[in-house]
Amino acid sequence: DGGITQSPKYLFRKEGQNVTLSCEQNLNHDAMYWYRQDPGQGLRLIYYSQIVNDFQKGDIAEGYSVSREKKESFPLTVTSAQKNPTAFYLCASSTRDSLNTEAFFGQGTRLTVV
Amino acid sequence: SQKIEQNSEALNIQEGKTATLTCNYTNYSPAYLQWYRQDPGRGPVFLLLIRENEKEKRKERLKVTFDTTLKQSLFHITASQPADSATYLCAFSRANQAGTALIFGKGTTLSVSS
Repeated sequence: DGGITQSPKYLFRKEGQNVTLSCEQNLNHDAMYWYRQDPGQGLRLIYYSQIVNDFQKGDIAEGYSVSREKKESFPLTVTSAQKNPTAFYLCASSTRDSLNTEAFFGQGTRLTVV
Repeated sequence: SQKIEQNSEALNIQEGKTATLTCNYTNYSPAYLQWYRQDPGRGPVFLLLIRENEKEKRKERLKVTFDTTLKQSLFHITASQPADSATYLCAFSRANQAGTALIFGKGTTLSVSS
């Protein structure tokens, strides 16, 4: 089945640790995105990538890093520099230049700092 | 900066009535607007896309309008059912030199009671 897979579903991190969230898609999409969702805040864009080996900062990139070494994969690292990392993280993909095409989302990773 | 606002956080209606959700945008003129449904703890799912030269788009019990003069989109669910209870998000594609990415509103949580 084609789709986008995020793992793990739940993740616990100690303060001061880096943690990496996985996102894989087999839809052959060029573009991939990371969003953060907090209660009452909607989805906020962290990073996005239109092609392999290229990515751009979104609206709230501070404290996060990404890589795009393969078309299918777009992992997100939440670094210790992110002051408030507890949130629901969503990965999405679309055909290149999402202007007039839908985005497909994964099921999300809920990160909790303990 | 470009903003997209859904001015009702919650909407409660009776089964069988029509639900109307509002999405307003500022400082941008999107060529396309999209609507998504999100269930608790899940990723958003695409519902409808409307282009700026389309006044209205329909899909089964769903209807979306796009008024570029008012900078507003309305999302209607007719003959609403309890299964329609979810959070509905509007989004537009923001394009710049770095590429395009979907920017979301905060969402409106619809509750349909039987």
